[in-house]
Amino acid sequence: GDSVTQMEGPVTLSEEAFLTINCTYTATGYPSLFWYVQYPGEGLQLLLKATKADDKGSNKGFEATYRKETTSFHLEKGSVQVSDSAVYFCALVDSGTYKYIFGTGTRLKVLA
Amino acid sequence: DAGVTQSPTHLIKTRGQQVTLRCSPKSGHDTVSWYQQALGQGPQFIFQYYEEEERQRGNFPDRFSGHQFPNYSSELNVNALLLGDSALYLCASSPIGAGGYNEQFFGPGTRLTVL
Repeated sequence: GDSVTQMEGPVTLSEEAFLTINCTYTATGYPSLFWYVQYPGEGLQLLLKATKADDKGSNKGFEATYRKETTSFHLEKGSVQVSDSAVYFCALVDSGTYKYIFGTGTRLKVLA
Repeated sequence: DAGVTQSPTHLIKTRGQQVTLRCSPKSGHDTVSWYQQALGQGPQFIFQYYEEEERQRGNFPDRFSGHQFPNYSSELNVNALLLGDSALYLCASSPIGAGGYNEQFFGPGTRLTVL
């Protein structure tokens, strides 16, 4: 079945460091891919998305590129801030179904 | 414009009891999905409702059932509660015409504790 695998956390970085959170997926069709963020005490918010191969999603300085050849959708940010501390979830929805699959989440902690 | 709202915020039940959780989707949204998020885990898809019918279901037992009303709001019912049902239950809605593949907007969740 479809699945999403994320790098385990927690990830601890200093402010202004470069961030990469790895995400790979398995899907039978042509999924849409998403990154969601969950700040402490809040619900999930969509961070960015990509709906087809080679699409790049971007928002708030975060980017991720849909790589079909490596079945990956890694999240990157050039310079993290303390306010980026949160849990990040990679997710997919496969074509032909309406079933969203989430990864287990990666906790990011940014130190001042 | 109100986002996705859920009630109640917190709930404590005992094993064997039944529970009903409620969700109102964001304005302009017609599709509602429910998820179970255990502590430290990602959300697990329970089911999705569209046009008052269950359109897709995840790997959850029949103890989990739902309903969607004509105004697009939805309920999640869980019967014969088990300790393992303790989790954060999230509701998410999608815009009309999105086809179910578009981004979902999440509510704050209902924290269910089963004792």
